[in-house]
Parts: sequence; structure tokens; C-alpha cells
Amino acid sequence: AQSVAQPEDQVNVAEGNPLTVKCTYSVSGNPYLFWYVQYPNRGLQFLLKYITGDNLVKGSYGFEAEFNKSQTSFHLKKPSALVSDSALYFCAVRGARDTDKLIFGTGTRLQVFP
Amino acid sequence: ETGVTQTPRHLVMGMTNKKSLKCEQHLGHNAMYWYKQSAKKPLELMFVYNFKEQTENNSVPSRFSPECPNSSHLFLHLHTLQPEDSALYLCASSQDRSGRWLRTDTQYFGPGTRLTVL
Repeated sequence: AQSVAQPEDQVNVAEGNPLTVKCTYSVSGNPYLFWYVQYPNRGLQFLLKYITGDNLVKGSYGFEAEFNKSQTSFHLKKPSALVSDSALYFCAVRGARDTDKLIFGTGTRLQVFP
Repeated sequence: ETGVTQTPRHLVMGMTNKKSLKCEQHLGHNAMYWYKQSAKKPLELMFVYNFKEQTENNSVPSRFSPECPNSSHLFLHLHTLQPEDSALYLCASSQDRSGRWLRTDTQYFGPGTRLTVL
């Protein structure tokens, strides 16, 4: 069965510091991995995805994520956090089988302090 | 904005009311989705439509009834809801080039409808 875990409900970081939001997954076969961000009273916005190729994926707003097959992880990172990055972040995974669905994690709230 | 709009943005209804949620996408996509987002829970996929045909019903109670008259519009008809149905209902769309829900396609979400059932 597919699953995705975001082990931290909240991540706090000071503005200007690097940030990491963690995500681990479990699927049969190759995973397809996504990160979305949700600002208050808004829908989910696509940040980036990993399908194949380079393990380091670059996305919107300076975010990037690294696919690590051995650790089954896809952590979201940014070298220098902004207060405006404060939001709810969702990791999602889909397996390679036709019957696999896109599964979302429970979300991690990122709080960036000035 | 993502090109996916939802109306209304907020809805309060009694358990005996009938209401409808509307979603419209301006992206030329062929696949549309309804999700339910509740606090502290993962997003729950409710329905999937590809080329106006329902391809997935994720064991959703019959008090939720979807309708997809064309590839750009998706409705969710609500009747005799329960208080536990209160949630944010999100619509999404994606490009589906082959008539199947491609696993690598990105889904684009609308802003959601915040539903409160009294």
C-alpha cells in the first residue's frame, strides 16, 4: 500500500536561515513525488515534482527538494527562508501502477520568524 | 491564481438543505477532481472525472453527488449533510492526454469552498 509521512506538524525557522520540511514515502515500484503549499484561505499551489532523472529538483519561489531512494525521502529545502514562506506544506506521492492514487501527507506548518 | 475557480468561497447550510458547489477551470484540462480537506487529516480524494466521465468514486456517501457537464465545469451537489461533513472542499484539474489519469500530471487546485453544516 502507498503511504506518505510528514513527521513534523510544525517547523519554526528564523528568516534568512535554511529550512527543511521532511517527507518520507512508501510505494511499490518507482515513486512520483510532489510538493504543494497552501496559504491561508487558499487552495494548494504546486511547488515542484520528481518524476525521474536528477535527484535534486528545483521549483517555484526558490524551493528545491532532494529525492533519496535509499532513505525513501523527498525533503523540501530552501537556502534562505522568508517570512512570506510561512504556510502549510503538503508532500504527495503516487506509485507507478495504474491503480495507484495521489496520496497526500497531513501537512507541515512552516513558521518563519523575522 | 491557478486558473481554477470555485464558488461560493464560504457556505453555511442546515442538515436538511440542498446546495451545490461549483468549480470551473480555464486551463484547457480534461481531468477534474473533488477533494475534502479536514483539519489534521490528509486530503481525501472524493471523485475523479476524465473527459466528463466519472472514473473514480472513493466510497463517498450518496449525500454527495457530482456532476460534470463538460471538461471545464464540475459541480458537487449536497443534500442532507451531517455536521462531520464540514470541511474545505477543493477542486483540482490536470491535463490528461491519453484518457487516463496520468500519474505524472500536476494537479492545479482552486481556492476551495469552506462548508459549515449546522
